[in-house]
Amino acid sequence: GQQLNQSPQSMFIQEGEDVSMNCTSSSIFNTWLWYKQDPGEGPVLLIALYKAGELTSNGRLTAQFGITRKDSFLNISASIPSDVGIYFCAGHPDDGNSGGSNYKLTFGKGTLLTVNP
Amino acid sequence: KAGVTQTPRYLIKTRGQQVTLSCSPISGHRSVSWYQQTPGQGLQFLFEYFSETQRNKGNFPGRFSGRQFSNSRSEMNVSTLELGDSALYLCASSSLRGTNEQFFGPGTRLTVL
Repeated sequence: GQQLNQSPQSMFIQEGEDVSMNCTSSSIFNTWLWYKQDPGEGPVLLIALYKAGELTSNGRLTAQFGITRKDSFLNISASIPSDVGIYFCAGHPDDGNSGGSNYKLTFGKGTLLTVNP
Repeated sequence: KAGVTQTPRYLIKTRGQQVTLSCSPISGHRSVSWYQQTPGQGLQFLFEYFSETQRNKGNFPGRFSGRQFSNSRSEMNVSTLELGDSALYLCASSSLRGTNEQFFGPGTRLTVL
């Protein structure tokens, strides 16, 4: 099946630092989504990307849909302690179904972010 | 608008038993997907339902099944539980209105002893 390679696996940073993480795939994706998951909770959608080259921000978070449609990155600026958690990339592979009826999400393994106050 | 709700939040079962988990999607959302999350395998897609029909299925054995009701609520069932079925089971709903965004519930933590 589809595989998403997410890196880094974990990051330990100081409060105030910027963070960058990315996801790559061997095949084309037509949607990229970034989620954050806190312990014991479900993933919360942070940013959704639908077009190659699209750059979208949500507060201190910025994500981009790669031009090749095989990658995406997420940046967090000026990190704060509540940014701690696991960040997942997810996407819908382009199966040639332009109707978009395939709602099976493929997930990366996640990036564990720790912020030291 | 209320989010996705899942019940129960926690379950402990023994090997060989069966279990039924419930998910209520966001009001107006008609697509419900189920995922299994484990430390080793991460988030893996189980199946997706829309209008009471299973449209997509992941690579899980037949012991994993589900259904969707006319009000879009969904249940998943795991029969003949195995130790490896211990996981966080997540439900996600989608409105299917031109976007692929899925919104997750808090999950059901299943422990098989």
